[in-house]
Amino acid sequence: NAGVTQTPKFQVLKTGQSMTLQCAQDMNHNSMYWYRQDPGMGLRLIYYSASEGTTDKGEVPNGYNVSRLNKREFSLRLESAAPSQTSVYFCASREDSSGANVLTFGAGSRLTVL
Amino acid sequence: GQSLEQPSEVTAVEGAIVQINCTYQTSGFYGLSWYQQHDGGAPTFLSYNALDGLEETGRFSSFLSRSDSYGYLLLQELQMKDSASYFCAVRLNTGFQKLVFGTGTRLLVSP
Repeated sequence: NAGVTQTPKFQVLKTGQSMTLQCAQDMNHNSMYWYRQDPGMGLRLIYYSASEGTTDKGEVPNGYNVSRLNKREFSLRLESAAPSQTSVYFCASREDSSGANVLTFGAGSRLTVL
Repeated sequence: GQSLEQPSEVTAVEGAIVQINCTYQTSGFYGLSWYQQHDGGAPTFLSYNALDGLEETGRFSSFLSRSDSYGYLLLQELQMKDSASYFCAVRLNTGFQKLVFGTGTRLLVSP
């Protein structure tokens, strides 16, 4: 059972380049999330998806787009990367039926924008 | 809006007890969770309080008081491996699946 898998683990971009972070979960969870983590800022929600085909903005959505094409996969796209988007990105999924706020996180994707 | 505030850093010695506080301002939420994150790793779930009161899971306990807009994580019999960052989180009732995190507390355990 792999849990939540993110790719790539590391990426260096130049300002203005685009890229997509991929995330897949094999736990049959409905809810999926993208967070970014910066030093001293904690985890900030970028976008989330309550179910296949639905997405909604979180706290810091500007400069990002997401796609939830199926239940397993939730991708995050940077259309024109900026140095301010240098961060560690975490994808997570949530088991809905228990009612508890239990997120399972991927290992993270470390992005540097030069 | 919503905010969850935590102390930035807490230090303690092995074997001691430490409490990490989380004070929040939010319009409404379903419950308070706690996560642990070691350096370079991903956050992992520790505890959840749906209702006011104390929840105990081994050496870790978590407490919630909605009337005081306050919760805490209590770690007993501290071990070196407990050195990590700890985050509180709430699931808002304005967006059913929206889960937001606190600012995080770095715990340093010394011998």
